[in-house]
Amino acid sequence: KAGVTQTPRYLIKTRGQQVTLSCSPISGHRSVSWYQQTPGQGLQFLFEYFSETQRNKGNFPGRFSGRQFSNSRSEMNVSTLELGDSALYLCASSLNGQGVETQYFGPGTRLLVL
Amino acid sequence: GDSVTQMEGPVTLSEEAFLTINCTYTATGYPSLFWYVQYPGEGLQLLLKATKADDKGSNKGFEATYRKETTSFHLEKGSVQVSDSAVYFCALSDEYSGGGADGLTFGKGTHLIIQP
Repeated sequence: KAGVTQTPRYLIKTRGQQVTLSCSPISGHRSVSWYQQTPGQGLQFLFEYFSETQRNKGNFPGRFSGRQFSNSRSEMNVSTLELGDSALYLCASSLNGQGVETQYFGPGTRLLVL
Repeated sequence: GDSVTQMEGPVTLSEEAFLTINCTYTATGYPSLFWYVQYPGEGLQLLLKATKADDKGSNKGFEATYRKETTSFHLEKGSVQVSDSAVYFCALSDEYSGGGADGLTFGKGTHLIIQP
């Protein structure tokens, strides 16, 4: 079974631009979560999607948004990029997003904002 | 809110040494507990998990027991190898009464270095 895939793997943008990251979950998984990983803040939960609906959201500004498609693929968008948005963005999928389930992570997209 | 505390390291050990990485948590609901490992340049891989008190998770020689009385989930391995060098994250998922999780809450990660 193929794992979680994320594209692109690396991205360089400048301040003020916007960016869209893509995540394809494991086949059959309907829940997709996004996390931001930085050296200073560690791993922080951004949001979770299930059946095309955002169910949960972490403590991030509205510049961070996402969506999920009918095939469970998900995208996240960051508008008006700031230097502090430089991070590794990880996507994870699970069957139904229940707490007892294992979340399977993709390799991440490394975003550098200049 | 929920939180996870773990030693950050780096922790440096010799090959075949005994490993303990401490992890304690605070949670409002009924958390499941996880250990994830991250190798350089990669995403996170699940190492083991436990979903209720007194459960023991184990994988690849690593073990951790869910201790509700001490709110702990310490990771142990009897004999580490150079290939175990990585960053280890303790995490919890708190399932609120309405069902569904509120994302994983992670510790800061422990950088483990194993010397031959």
